[in-house]
Amino acid sequence: EDKVVQSPLSLVVHEGDTVTLNCSYEVTNFRSLLWYKQEKKAPTFLFMLTSSGIEKKSGRLSSILDKKELFSILNITATQTGDSAIYLCATPGAGSYQLTFGKGTKLSVIP
Amino acid sequence: DVKVTQSSRYLVKRTGEKVFLECVQDMDHENMFWYRQDPGLGLRLIYFSYDVKMKEKGDIPEGYSVSREKKERFSLILESASTNQTSMYLCASSPWRATNEKLFFGSGTQLSVL
Repeated sequence: EDKVVQSPLSLVVHEGDTVTLNCSYEVTNFRSLLWYKQEKKAPTFLFMLTSSGIEKKSGRLSSILDKKELFSILNITATQTGDSAIYLCATPGAGSYQLTFGKGTKLSVIP
Repeated sequence: DVKVTQSSRYLVKRTGEKVFLECVQDMDHENMFWYRQDPGLGLRLIYFSYDVKMKEKGDIPEGYSVSREKKERFSLILESASTNQTSMYLCASSPWRATNEKLFFGSGTQLSVL
C-alpha cells in the first residue's frame, strides 16, 4: 500500500525564521512527488519533483527530492505571516490516476 | 485562468437526506476527483473519473456515488447522509491521464450533517 508521511504535523515559528518540512514516501514505481499549499480551502500547486538532487525554487520556497532515501523536504526561508497554511505532500500510485496525500503540516507564522 | 467551481461553500443537511455536491471545471480536463479532508486524516480519495460516464472507486467510496454525464461536471452524491460524512469535500481535475499529477482544486464544500 502506498504511503506518504509528513512531519512535523504542526509547527509554530516567528516571522523571519527558516523552516524545513519533511515528507517521506513508500510507493511502487515512483513517478513524482508533489507539494501543495492550502491556505483557506483550495490547495494550490507548488512543486513537482521527479529527479533526485535537483532543487526546485520559487522565491523563498525551495524543495528537493532524495530518491535513494525516499524523502523530500520543503524549505521556506525568511517566513512571513502569509506563509501560514497547511502544506501537503503527495505522490501518484503505481499505474493509477490518483494521488496519495500525506496528512499535511500545519505551519503557523506569528509576527 | 483555470477554474474548478464547487457549487456551495457551506452546506448543512439532516441525517438521511440525499445530498448532491456539484463540481464544474472549465479547462476541458479528462480527469476529475472527489476527496474529503478531515483533521488528522488528510485528503482521502472517494471517487474519480477519467472520462464521461466512467467512474472508479477511490479509497473510501462507501456511502457515496458519483455521476459524470458531461465532461465538465462531476457530481458527488450522498444517498442517505450520516453524521460521519460531516467533512470538507474537495473536487479536483487534471488533464489527460499521463499528466494527472498536477491537480487543480476547487475551493471546497464544508458539509455538516446534523
